[in-house]
Amino acid sequence: EDKVVQSPLSLVVHEGDTVTLNCSYEVTNFRSLLWYKQEKKAPTFLFMLTSSGIEKKSGRLSSILDKKELSSILNITATQTGDSAIYLCAVEAGRFGAGNMLTFGGGTRLMVKP
Amino acid sequence: DAGVTQSPTHLIKTRGQHVTLRCSPISGHKSVSWYQQVLGQGPQFIFQYYEKEERGRGNFPDRFSARQFPNYSSELNVNALLLGDSALYLCASSWWPRRGPGQPQHFGDGTRLSIL
Repeated sequence: EDKVVQSPLSLVVHEGDTVTLNCSYEVTNFRSLLWYKQEKKAPTFLFMLTSSGIEKKSGRLSSILDKKELSSILNITATQTGDSAIYLCAVEAGRFGAGNMLTFGGGTRLMVKP
Repeated sequence: DAGVTQSPTHLIKTRGQHVTLRCSPISGHKSVSWYQQVLGQGPQFIFQYYEKEERGRGNFPDRFSARQFPNYSSELNVNALLLGDSALYLCASSWWPRRGPGQPQHFGDGTRLSIL
């Protein structure tokens, strides 16, 4: 059974701090790892990492995939109160033609204080 | 462009009733997936449909069913509701399998279902 684990469960930081969120996975036929941000409702897509793209960056956010360690990190620098959210890690696995269902971790709840 | 739209936004039902949730994908997307998110947990996969055919099913009882229509919208049906079915039900669409691998799923705001 595919498994995705995120740590820490929750994190409280102050504006300007840098945070690192962790995600580890055990899946069969790994295809990609995705990060989402969930504030109140819809998870919003952040990054997709695959064997051909193991590092992504967008503004203050960046993510790295370590296929050897079966893990990924999401870094947020110079945090702002608007970064407060639940960050979800998900893995897509299996044969390509078999669908692209996602297996999610439990999420990391980030709170950024002013 | 409109994102994934879901209706209704909130729903209150009692045990034993049935419910139908609706989803319209992003224009051009033909793949629709359903997820259940219980409070404090990550979303859990229920179904995926592509071109009106079921392409994947998660570990949910037969009380859960879904279908996709010719316009690629989708319905999720849940019968004989239990208290444990209370959750946020999320719909996602993507370009999969068109445009090759590396197509992320995009989520709607979900339907919050409460069972009394």
